[in-house]
Amino acid sequence: KAGVTQTPRYLIKTRGQQVTLSCSPISGHRSVSWYQQTPGQGLQFLFEYFSETQRNKGNFPGRFSGRQFSNSRSEMNVSTLELGDSALYLCASSPGGSGRETQYFGPGTRLLVL
Amino acid sequence: QKEVEQNSGPLSVPEGAIASLNCTYSDRVSQSFFWYRQYSGKSPELIMSIYSNGDKEDGRFTAQLNKASQYVSLLIRDSQPSDSATYLCAVNTGGGATNKLIFGTGTLLAVQP
Repeated sequence: KAGVTQTPRYLIKTRGQQVTLSCSPISGHRSVSWYQQTPGQGLQFLFEYFSETQRNKGNFPGRFSGRQFSNSRSEMNVSTLELGDSALYLCASSPGGSGRETQYFGPGTRLLVL
Repeated sequence: QKEVEQNSGPLSVPEGAIASLNCTYSDRVSQSFFWYRQYSGKSPELIMSIYSNGDKEDGRFTAQLNKASQYVSLLIRDSQPSDSATYLCAVNTGGGATNKLIFGTGTLLAVQP
């Protein structure tokens, strides 16, 4: 099976712009989670989607949003970008039927906000 | 208090030695615990998962869980230079069938040849 794919891999934006990141899960996986990784804060949970519904949410401002499509692909959007949004954004997928599942991570999208 | 705590390291061990990585967590109702390995510039990959108190062994890796003490550990036997990476402890705090992994800040392991 193909792994989790994320596009784009690298992105440069300026403050105030918005950005949309895409994640395609492993075939058959219905749960997609998003994480932000920075040197200062480490890996932080953003949100989880399952069957097109947000199932869990982390402690991020409303500028961070996401959605999931019927084919389980997911997008996350960050509006009004701030310098502090520069980070590696990782998505992870799992089948979605149990809290004991392994989450498989994609390669990430590295976002730089200037 | 952070939800998941790890010593940031670096933890330096000689090749062939046992590396011991520790993690504590604050959510008493958590039921699923994971160790991920992350090489520099790469995404995390699962090493071990553990759900019940006690030890779980997989090759050179042993995970230990003590829910009463809210403590998870990972032992790496016969450490190899290729084991040099950041090891992330993760706890699923989502509840039920949901996924909400809370990660520690990671321990950097350096295995010296």
